[in-house]
Amino acid sequence: NAGVTQTPKFQVLKTGQSMTLQCAQDMNHEYMSWYRQDPGMGLRLIHYSVGAGITDQGEVPNGYNVSRSTTEDFPLRLLSAAPSQTSVYFCASSRDRGSYGYTFGSGTRLTVV
Amino acid sequence: AQSVSQHNHHVILSEAASLELGCNYSYGGTVNLFWYVQYPGQHLQLLLKYFSGDPLVKGIKGFEAEFIKSKFSFNLRKPSVQWSDTAEYFCAVNAAWRDDKIIFGKGTRLHILP
Repeated sequence: NAGVTQTPKFQVLKTGQSMTLQCAQDMNHEYMSWYRQDPGMGLRLIHYSVGAGITDQGEVPNGYNVSRSTTEDFPLRLLSAAPSQTSVYFCASSRDRGSYGYTFGSGTRLTVV
Repeated sequence: AQSVSQHNHHVILSEAASLELGCNYSYGGTVNLFWYVQYPGQHLQLLLKYFSGDPLVKGIKGFEAEFIKSKFSFNLRKPSVQWSDTAEYFCAVNAAWRDDKIIFGKGTRLHILP
């Protein structure tokens, strides 16, 4: 049972480039979220999804897009990378509403130069 | 919207000392509360959670937390810490039955001296 799988683990982008961070879970979880982690800022919610075809914005959605075409996958797209998007990105999933807590992926460390 | 405040940004203790990390949340309705731990270089793992019933919740690795509704608090405790508890600890809140988001605090970095 793989849990939540994120790829890539590390990425360096140039300002203005676009890319997609991949997230997949094999637990048949309905709820999935993307967070970014920055020193002293904790984890901030970017986007989340309560099921296939349904997404919503979190605390810091600007500059990011998501879609949820299947239950398993929840990719995060950076439209035009900026240095302010240098961060560690975590994907998480949950069986049910937030009451069960999330299972986290191992993270993607992104540097924008 | 709900929010979480963790009072201590950095805590240093010696092994065998007792630990209490503060967490307060702001939300007027029913909440689900969580503590997560992140060991160096790793992803977050769930330590314990509260969503109803006994306000004293026991988690993994000897940790416990007490939900005090009147104080909007959910403090994490451990009677005797070990060097292996060195990690960053995050409190998180979810507005039960209303919202699907989990909002995290900024974290407390715990350093245990051997």
